[in-house]
Amino acid sequence: GDSVTQMEGPVTLSEEACLTINCTYTATGYPSLFWYVQYPGEGLQLLLKATKADDKGSNKGFEATYRKETTSFHLEKGSVQVSDSAVYFCALTSSGGSYIPTFGRGTSLIVHP
Amino acid sequence: SQTIHQWPATLVQPVGSPLSLECTVEGTSNPNLYWYRQAAGRGLQLLFYSVGIGQISSEVPQNLSASRPQDRQFILSSKKLLLSDSGFYLCAWSVSGGNTIYFGEGSWLTVV
Repeated sequence: GDSVTQMEGPVTLSEEACLTINCTYTATGYPSLFWYVQYPGEGLQLLLKATKADDKGSNKGFEATYRKETTSFHLEKGSVQVSDSAVYFCALTSSGGSYIPTFGRGTSLIVHP
Repeated sequence: SQTIHQWPATLVQPVGSPLSLECTVEGTSNPNLYWYRQAAGRGLQLLFYSVGIGQISSEVPQNLSASRPQDRQFILSSKKLLLSDSGFYLCAWSVSGGNTIYFGEGSWLTVV
């Protein structure tokens, strides 16, 4: 079945540092890939998505590229802010017609001033 | 535009009491609807999903149930809460046949 693997957290960075959160997946066919962000005490918000190979999703300074050859969708940001502190979830929906997304376990990001 | 709301936002209930969490989606028709639970440790557990009125699929056997009495309404219920039911409950929706899921604000349930 489909699966999503994210790097273990927490990831702790200083403000203005570069961020990479790794995400790899296993799926049949051509899944759509997503990153969600969850701020403390809130629901998940869609951060960005990519629906086909080599697509780059971007939003709020974050970006991720759909790499089919390495089955990866790593989240990157060039300069993080304290307000980026949150939990980040990588997810996929299969192209096989299933409407149920598969989520990673989440990676906590802590940014210090 | 589409919106999703769930309530109540926070709930403290004694063990053995009933539960009702409600979720409503506006601005779309015949959405797929989902209930997730997020316990400590952040992982998401899919509890129920629905592709239409009266069509409910359960992913995890437990003392919770779900109902969809109207097209855009999804209700999570329990007749008798357990301590282990405590957690953060998230309702979500997607366009029928769509690949993107959108979440509500979440409901904090503490069973005491």
